Amino acid sequence: DSGVTQTPKHLITATGQRVTLRCSPRSGDLSVYWYQQSLDQGLQFLIQYYNGEERAKGNILERFSAQQFPDLHSELNLSSLELGDSALYFCASSDISGSTDTQYFGPGTRLTVL
Amino acid sequence: GESVGLHLPTLSVQEGDNSIINCAYSNSASDYFIWYKQESGKGPQFIIDIRSNMDKRQGQRVTVLLNKTVKHLSLQIAATQPGDSAVYFCAENTMTNFGNEKLTFGTGTRLTIIP
Repeated sequence: DSGVTQTPKHLITATGQRVTLRCSPRSGDLSVYWYQQSLDQGLQFLIQYYNGEERAKGNILERFSAQQFPDLHSELNLSSLELGDSALYFCASSDISGSTDTQYFGPGTRLTVL
Repeated sequence: GESVGLHLPTLSVQEGDNSIINCAYSNSASDYFIWYKQESGKGPQFIIDIRSNMDKRQGQRVTVLLNKTVKHLSLQIAATQPGDSAVYFCAENTMTNFGNEKLTFGTGTRLTIIP
């Protein structure tokens, strides 16, 4: 168990809908990262927050957004969902900002868009 | 463009034997590399990392080798056990289009340990 929690574990929704994925980092970790894992794209970095502020951005779609709250949990919002958004979404956390710090991954949320 | 790739998508090894998983990276400016293990239904789990000022780093039953000349990374697992069966990813730190650092993951190698 990495100490990172994600909810829900599974999510099934329809195209055009909006969903919110939630992540709680390990106790004491200030950085939260979001990744998308699909069969054809592998594990792709989406966005990073550090202590409530956006720190790094990957190839995140404009339909996707995230935020980190004062209690350090983070939410990833996916809107106008398309079939191609079906994937595993992972959250990771680390205790210091920067990609060179060990990232601990949560169990993921499996999103299915029908 | 950026890419971190693996030479072998699948690898089967007899239990007790040693295994080697290889990874090629394309960004010569990368200075940090990590190996992750992902078991079915779980998130990636950190195994070992290495910085570019090192050629070799050892952990418990695992060794990572870095060859910067040919931009090659390998993970050696000694005395493999059934619990080693998983997908293994290499990752390197790269720059995003926005000028920040991020981890870029390879496509993964599935390691199967044969009892």
